[in-house]
Amino acid sequence: SQTIHQWPATLVQPVGSPLSLECTVEGTSNPNLYWYRQAAGRGLQLLFYSVGIGQISSEVPQNLSASRPQDRQFILSSKKLLLSDSGFYLCAWSAWGGGAQETQYFGPGTRLLVL
Amino acid sequence: AQSVSQHNHHVILSEAASLELGCNYSYGGTVNLFWYVQYPGQHLQLLLKYFSGDPLVKGIKGFEAEFIKSKFSFNLRKPSVQWSDTAEYFCAVNAAFLRNTGKLIFGQGTTLQVKP
Repeated sequence: SQTIHQWPATLVQPVGSPLSLECTVEGTSNPNLYWYRQAAGRGLQLLFYSVGIGQISSEVPQNLSASRPQDRQFILSSKKLLLSDSGFYLCAWSAWGGGAQETQYFGPGTRLLVL
Repeated sequence: AQSVSQHNHHVILSEAASLELGCNYSYGGTVNLFWYVQYPGQHLQLLLKYFSGDPLVKGIKGFEAEFIKSKFSFNLRKPSVQWSDTAEYFCAVNAAFLRNTGKLIFGQGTTLQVKP
């Protein structure tokens, strides 16, 4: 069966420090991968998605970037964190090729607090 | 641009009360519709989904949702809620033109609190 991992679970970082959040998927090949940010009362905002290695699409201009160095690895990064980057970050995957009809499966999330 | 609106931000019900959570979307073409649920301390998980066919969709734990195309709505219902239904509920939409990206547009979520 497929599983999705995210780490760390919780992170407290000072403003201006770098960030690296990792997401890995097991049990499937060539998944579509997604990074979301969840803010209280604002639902889930799609930040990045990837349909293959090295293929990253950004949904919103921001201080963050994403990379997909391996088929089942998706990394969210920042060179210098801002206070506004605080939030709950969710990684998700869906099966490739199923198009819009594939369900997305979510990881446990990383809670980031920037001080 | 597509958008999804959930009108109820925070709902408080007593056990055995009936539930209806509203969800409206803005895209006029073919859509796929989802309800996700996040129980306290757990992953976001799929509750039910609509792709085509019968507009009344049944999901897990006694939940159902009805797709009304003319109203651009996909409301979630449950006849009798339980304390264990306390969670945050998210409506999501994917438009057919998004093809293989599988991108979802989420509503802002509704927090349901069920009092025992």
